[in-house]
Amino acid sequence: DAKTTQPPSMDCAEGRAANLPCNHSTISGNEYVYWYRQIHSQGPQYIIHGLKNNETNEMASLIITEDRKSSTLILPHATLRDTAVYYCIVRPNNNDMRFGAGTRLTVKP
Amino acid sequence: EAQVTQNPRYLITVTGKKLTVTCSQNMNHEYMSWYRQDPGLGLRQIYYSMNVEVTDKGDVPEGYKVSRKEKRNFPLILESPSPNQTSLYFCASSLRGGGGGTDTQYFGPGTRLTVL
Repeated sequence: DAKTTQPPSMDCAEGRAANLPCNHSTISGNEYVYWYRQIHSQGPQYIIHGLKNNETNEMASLIITEDRKSSTLILPHATLRDTAVYYCIVRPNNNDMRFGAGTRLTVKP
Repeated sequence: EAQVTQNPRYLITVTGKKLTVTCSQNMNHEYMSWYRQDPGLGLRQIYYSMNVEVTDKGDVPEGYKVSRKEKRNFPLILESPSPNQTSLYFCASSLRGGGGGTDTQYFGPGTRLTVL
């Protein structure tokens, strides 16, 4: 399994973009990068995923480097409700989601 | 509304008293899974099921049982709960398992279990 490395915590001002980095230097060619978040003790919530190309949806953008060894999740206009733990997951070829410690993002007024 | 539901949401029990936590999904998903979450240890997979009557162990299966008799339901059974099974439990489902990169897992709201 490819492992991921994320900073344990980050702060972001409300209304500004939140950029959450993730390193996955041992990722295999067929492994996708997934991002989930967990608000307080709720169930993890899917945000976005990608393989090689940058992706955007209504929640966020995902930027994957050309060598695929790292990625960045971008919340374009962070709100207080975006305060959560964000997990970067590289999914192996089964369906298991191996969650690490994630990044605790705090959005401040 | 497409969702994964768990019951109960909160449960306090005593050592040795058998309990079942139910999980149900209404999305016709083939794959279902159980996780536990503990402080400092993150989410760890207990059991998963690729389809009806097909189950397999995850990373921490000891002390747990599961069954998958119907596609929509995947109950977690603790036949003799112990205090070290006090945890926050999540059920998840996805359309199918076994590979492919675009299969998103959807999680239930969680069940907080305390074993005294």
